Amino acid sequence: GENVEQHPSTLSVQEGDSAVIKCTYSDSASNYFPWYKQELGKRPQLIIDIRSNVGEKKDQRIAVTLNKTAKHFSLHITETQPEDSAVYFCAAPYSSASKIIFGSGTRLSIRP
Amino acid sequence: KAGVTQTPRYLIKTRGQQVTLSCSPISGHRSVSWYQQTPGQGLQFLFEYFSETQRNKGNFPGRFSGRQFSNSRSEMNVSTLELGDSALYLCASSYGTTGEAFFGQGTRLTVV
Repeated sequence: GENVEQHPSTLSVQEGDSAVIKCTYSDSASNYFPWYKQELGKRPQLIIDIRSNVGEKKDQRIAVTLNKTAKHFSLHITETQPEDSAVYFCAAPYSSASKIIFGSGTRLSIRP
Repeated sequence: KAGVTQTPRYLIKTRGQQVTLSCSPISGHRSVSWYQQTPGQGLQFLFEYFSETQRNKGNFPGRFSGRQFSNSRSEMNVSTLELGDSALYLCASSYGTTGEAFFGQGTRLTVV
């Protein structure tokens, strides 16, 4: 159905360690996969996105991987810092390129 | 360039009333999407408008409606408010069909 599953719902990592958040989508025609970060009391902001013609994209400490066969995509944050603490949302189109469905969110906490 | 502007920021309404929320997209953006954000349900897709046409609709009752004007500004209306409609309503604008969506700060609606 119209669903983007996101795991885990909460994640706590030691500062400096890596964090991985995984999502699964249902529409095999989906071709655009953004990730948003929402800090407490603020609006969601795009941090990285990937299109279906590539398998991986990296931007400094953040990377996203895409497995179209399995309909999985993941967010990787390396060398985590306190400012990485936030809720992260994955998203994917469903049935239409302009209908973007969000995952349920992952609350990431960075332990000092 | 001004960001996405939503008004009002906060609203308190009583059950049975109706409410209209406004979203002014970034200049040049023609796509406006609306989302309902609640702690338990994450970001739920309401509808998307492009050039004054509703292209997509989420799984919400008919009490939720919207429209878009020729200047791309959009409004959403909720009639016969219920307690469960209390949420943060976010709109997002984008230039094309798929690409970075920029979110407004949201309208926090409380139904009492």
